Order: sequence, then structure tokens, then C-alpha cells
Amino acid sequence: QQPVQSPQAVILREGEDAVINCSSSKALYSVHWYRQKHGEAPVFLMILLKGGEQKGHEKISASFNEKKQQSSLYLTASQLSYSGTYFCGTEVNNNDMRFGAGTRLTVKP
Amino acid sequence: DAGVIQSPRHEVTEMGQEVTLRCKPISGHNSLFWYRQTMMRGLELLIYFNNNVPIDDSGMPEDRFSAKMPNASFSTLKIQPSEPRDSAVYFCASSLHRRNTEAFFGQGTRLTVV
Repeated sequence: QQPVQSPQAVILREGEDAVINCSSSKALYSVHWYRQKHGEAPVFLMILLKGGEQKGHEKISASFNEKKQQSSLYLTASQLSYSGTYFCGTEVNNNDMRFGAGTRLTVKP
Repeated sequence: DAGVIQSPRHEVTEMGQEVTLRCKPISGHNSLFWYRQTMMRGLELLIYFNNNVPIDDSGMPEDRFSAKMPNASFSTLKIQPSEPRDSAVYFCASSLHRRNTEAFFGQGTRLTVV
């Protein structure tokens, strides 16, 4: 039931853009995105709900294709602080949130 | 609020020993999750509780793992007996039991079984 993320890793220069994808084989109620810095706990970025509602970050956007059970996270004009591992979490039913394996993003000066 | 509090932060134990990890969720949150994180498997959901009741423990790897939530402010994850392959970072997270709220993670317990 874990969602599948791609790519596994991305290396960017400051100011470049990146897209991280998340897909599920199950019908989803919502998709959550988290970022984890090395040695720290995952931190919430945003939620995308079935029906189009979004809650979350000012500088990061995402989409949720309900028909394909896919979500994409868009990181534009990346900053050094964007480095970390990004996880998508998916809710199928009953508040169960399961995470993908993560995408490691490295932003270099 | 101090956030989700986990203890201990680090645990080193010998194979065969019992290990107990502890979690205090954010006050007022009524959903609690235990995750295990490894390089190979990422963040795995082990078990989650709603209103202190275990809802889904299908992620618990073996009978050696057990989790309890005796009240709204405390949960434990126990491994007995521990094995080297249990070495990982274990996270506890809590949220409000509604489908459009984020989960807040504790700082994790890094478990090393030698």
C-alpha cells in the first residue's frame, strides 16, 4: 500500500526547478508532502485533498490527479534550504497515512 | 505545546534484549502513529491508534513487536526479543483524527541492536 515516488534522488543548482512524483495503486482520499532534513524529523509541507482543496506551503506547489492517483510536488527557484528528503504520504481510508521511500533533493550553490 | 516527545533518543542494546520505546503525543491529538525508518525501506507505518484503539497493525513486522496506548497521552512500542535487523529510527507522530490535518512527528528514537 506504500506509494511509489520518483525520482529517488535529484541534484540541483540554486535557482533551478524540480518535480517530484508520487503514485498509488489505490484510490486516494488525500496526499501529504513532508520534508526531512538529515537527522531530523519529517516536517509537514502540504496536503492535497480529493476534490481539489489544498493546505500548505507558500513557496511550494503541488498537484493531485484523482483519476490517476498521482501527485506531483513542484519546487521552483530552489534554495539551499530546500535540500532534504521529500516524502509523500497517502491516505486511502480511516486516517492511515503511509509514506513512499522518499526523494533525496540536494541543492548546490 | 512541546510537540511530540519520544524517549529515549538513542538506544543501544544487545540482541535478545527487550526494548521499549515511548511516545507522548501532542495534547488534544487523538491519532497516534508509529513509523520505522531505514535506508532500504524508507518510512514504514507499523501501527496507528485512533482514540487509544489500535486500528491497523498490519505493518508490525513480527510477533516480537507490540504496541500499546493505555491513555491519550502515552504510547509504547516494545520489541522482545530484539534482533540486529530491528536497528532503525523509530518515529512517533500524532494528529487530530480528521482527514485533512497534518501529522506532527517526534524527534525519533535511534535504535541499534548489536
